[in-house]
Amino acid sequence: KNEVEQSPQNLTAQEGEFITINCSYSVGISALHWLQQHPGGGIVSLFMLSSGKKKHGRLIATINIQEKHSSLHITASHPRDSAVYICAVIYGGSQGNLIFGKGTKLSVKP
Amino acid sequence: DTGVSQDPRHKITKRGQNVTFRCDPISEHNRLYWYRQTLGQGPEFLTYFQNEAQLEKSRLLSDRFSAERPKGSFSTLEIQRTEQGDSAMYLCASSGGQGYYQPQHFGDGTRLSIL
Repeated sequence: KNEVEQSPQNLTAQEGEFITINCSYSVGISALHWLQQHPGGGIVSLFMLSSGKKKHGRLIATINIQEKHSSLHITASHPRDSAVYICAVIYGGSQGNLIFGKGTKLSVKP
Repeated sequence: DTGVSQDPRHKITKRGQNVTFRCDPISEHNRLYWYRQTLGQGPEFLTYFQNEAQLEKSRLLSDRFSAERPKGSFSTLEIQRTEQGDSAMYLCASSGGQGYYQPQHFGDGTRLSIL
């Protein structure tokens, strides 16, 4: 059983669509990362949050600690948003090492 | 801020050979993490350093794997007697500041292919 589950696994959208990627986790956490991984491997941290909501440009991340659930939203999606989006949690009591979901592969068509 | 750099980007080697990867973290970061990612999966934690001390190791890190961070700056990850199952992307990340719960900055990874 995975401690971090993401849905959907794959997502295809048309340019301009509003996109939501979901992450559920089963462990007590101290913080949650949303990461973006492009082909070739490089990972970029988009958000780290432990409560509420954060916004950066067209990206919005929310977390509900009681429900152990987080969402990543992309407004007005663009083909350059095509990437794998990974949810990762820092579980309480750890020394910061992340537990990752398997990722959601997003493809935005023009 | 030059970011986290990893070397080499790609390594192809024959089964049974030893390989060593290097990670240079962001200079002021005291925490350094190694992760491994196989195709279609999310990364998995391997080991963690705070300064030069290796404080945590995953059970994924068999005795063929060793990691060092001798001066608390760059780190090396060595795999001895490589096996087919070692083929993966090896990612390094670093973080700094007060407390463990700081954003991690990732390198581009080293892709290892075992022939």
